[in-house]
Amino acid sequence: DAGITQSPRHKVTETGTPVTLRCHQTENHRYMYWYRQDPGHGLRLIHYSYGVKDTDKGEVSDGYSVSRSKTEDFLLTLESATSSQTSVYFCAIRPLSIRSEQYFGPGTRLTVT
Amino acid sequence: KQEVTQIPAALSVPEGENLVLNCSFTDSAIYNLQWFRQDPGKGLTSLLLIQSSQREQTSGRLNASLDKSSGRSTLYIAASQPGDSATYLCAVMAGHTQGGSEKLVFGKGMKLTVNP
Repeated sequence: DAGITQSPRHKVTETGTPVTLRCHQTENHRYMYWYRQDPGHGLRLIHYSYGVKDTDKGEVSDGYSVSRSKTEDFLLTLESATSSQTSVYFCAIRPLSIRSEQYFGPGTRLTVT
Repeated sequence: KQEVTQIPAALSVPEGENLVLNCSFTDSAIYNLQWFRQDPGKGLTSLLLIQSSQREQTSGRLNASLDKSSGRSTLYIAASQPGDSATYLCAVMAGHTQGGSEKLVFGKGMKLTVNP
């Protein structure tokens, strides 16, 4: 257990509504990541953060924004949800070590109707 | 662009068999390679991590090897059990940088079923 929680764990929302997913960690790791997992695509990186207020885009960042105002929280926002954003979203952290191992949270299943 | 492939996509075996799961990647300039396990509806559990300077790592019945030059890794599972049934994912991290842009590139996974 890497001390990562995600909320909500499940959410159903309508097209066009804003949605924010939260990732919370208890161990003050600097690096945090948001991935999405879809059948046929595997896991793909959306955004990542390397410190408070330091974020950058990943492979599939269109339609998503992130914020990190505190070390422990990394928020993923869908400004106007679309059906193509129906997915399972995973947050990950990477402790600062030579190994650079990533640890994942339990995921949020988001359905956009 | 780094691409990671896992073949086959699914495997069904009887209990007790020794298994080899394959992972291949197109760019040998990796920092590390990580194997994960994912149970249905759950998150990813890290099984083994091999750094680019290493050839193999072992944990219990699991052994992972890395051949960077050929772009391949294998996960060996000894004496498989029904509890090993899960999806196994391989992921590579590109070369290390200071900015935290180290990104994991995942294969699509291999669904393993071990039958009693």
